[in-house]
Amino acid sequence: QLQLQESGPGLVKPSETLSLTCTVSGGSISSSSYYWGWIRQPPGKGLEWIGSIYYSGSTYYNPSLKSRVTISVDTSKNQFSLKLSSVTAADTAVYYCARQLISLDYWGQGTLVTVSS
Amino acid sequence: QSVLTQPPSVSAAPGQKVTISCSGSSSNIGNNYVSWYQQLPGTAPKLLIYDNNKRPSGIPDRFSGSKSGTSATLGITGLQTGDEADYYCGTWDSSLSAHVVFGGGTKLTVL
Repeated sequence: QLQLQESGPGLVKPSETLSLTCTVSGGSISSSSYYWGWIRQPPGKGLEWIGSIYYSGSTYYNPSLKSRVTISVDTSKNQFSLKLSSVTAADTAVYYCARQLISLDYWGQGTLVTVSS
Repeated sequence: QSVLTQPPSVSAAPGQKVTISCSGSSSNIGNNYVSWYQQLPGTAPKLLIYDNNKRPSGIPDRFSGSKSGTSATLGITGLQTGDEADYYCGTWDSSLSAHVVFGGGTKLTVL
């Protein structure tokens, strides 16, 4: 059974860079056809897709976040990562990683990241 | 403001049927497959419907999906108290650069 687990700091200061890693187990991140994505959900609000990456490094990003987002992949560790720069309080959210084809079929449990000084 | 429009809330009694609508445009729903996700309180979203009307393994046939033009609909029959959750539609959008968009979510209350 495929499992995804997010990890990273739960507290980030304003103007700094948020960094999270998603570790994939029970399957290879190099599986053909699948992208690997990040989605976030501010407290009490809806879902926002951040972006996704193929094992080769090809990426798609949300146009509204593109200038601040970098998603990378490390196939040797079966991991992919998110970096979001110049964060503000508006970036406070639960961040999820997920496997993506057309839909998002496997999700991590999510990790809360709070932006505060 | 979400790109896809869903009603904020719907409600129905146990055993009844409910539908949740999702409205978009030609750049998203009109030309792409729609997915539906169920988010139970305090948990991660779960894929409920993909490719407009297909159910992943383990999803009961009480859940159904359909699409017509630039709108999609999730149907749930035989409502159970355990179905109380937030439901989100999602699809790809080809305006600007290709990206995924979601509806604002619909809170289902089983009275």
